[in-house]
Amino acid sequence: RKEVEQDPGPFNVPEGATVAFNCTYSNSASQSFFWYRQDCRKEPKLLMSVYSSGNEDGRFTAQLNRASQYISLLIRDSKLSDSATYLCVVNQGGKLIFGQGTELSVKP
Amino acid sequence: GAVVSQHPSRVICKSGTSVKIECRSLDFQATTMFWYRQFPKQSLMLMATSNEGSKATYEQGVEKDKFLINHASLTLSTLTVTSAHPEDSSFYICSARDNTVEGAFFGQGTRLTVV
Repeated sequence: RKEVEQDPGPFNVPEGATVAFNCTYSNSASQSFFWYRQDCRKEPKLLMSVYSSGNEDGRFTAQLNRASQYISLLIRDSKLSDSATYLCVVNQGGKLIFGQGTELSVKP
Repeated sequence: GAVVSQHPSRVICKSGTSVKIECRSLDFQATTMFWYRQFPKQSLMLMATSNEGSKATYEQGVEKDKFLINHASLTLSTLTVTSAHPEDSSFYICSARDNTVEGAFFGQGTRLTVV
């Protein structure tokens, strides 16, 4: 079983759609959680941290359920510029472990 | 925010030669840096953790004699791919932790092509 698993992609959605990404992790001792965004052939960039209380940044909402070892990212009113690969990332003892990523393509 | 600079961004080398990749933290001191490798359509795979002033810690399956890591200062870590082969062609990315924030900052990545 992979340490961090994400929804298989790609997700093809129209502009304005709401899209949700799911992620599960296997190590219950994982300490902190993140969503990163990676554009084609570029380095990953931190999108947001994820907390049990849930956190929102504009159109993006992230949620963590420690009991289920489940992380989610919701994107509302999607824009063309949201097209990228979204990586679920887990901090295990200071090491960042990446999921395989979910590709999002937003179409006009 | 903190900046991590990685150089070169792209390199093409002949099979059997060695390639050095540099990773610098520009505005903070990084006692720990990480090296990842990413094959097309796959996720980032952690290769090793680089600790300033001590030996790197390699992940299972990563050959330490092939991927030499040096972290001589608090702002510089280098990865040397020795005797490179075509199967080493990949996207190599470094990252560094800034203790003031969670997560990590990534270098721009190095696309290595071995011909």
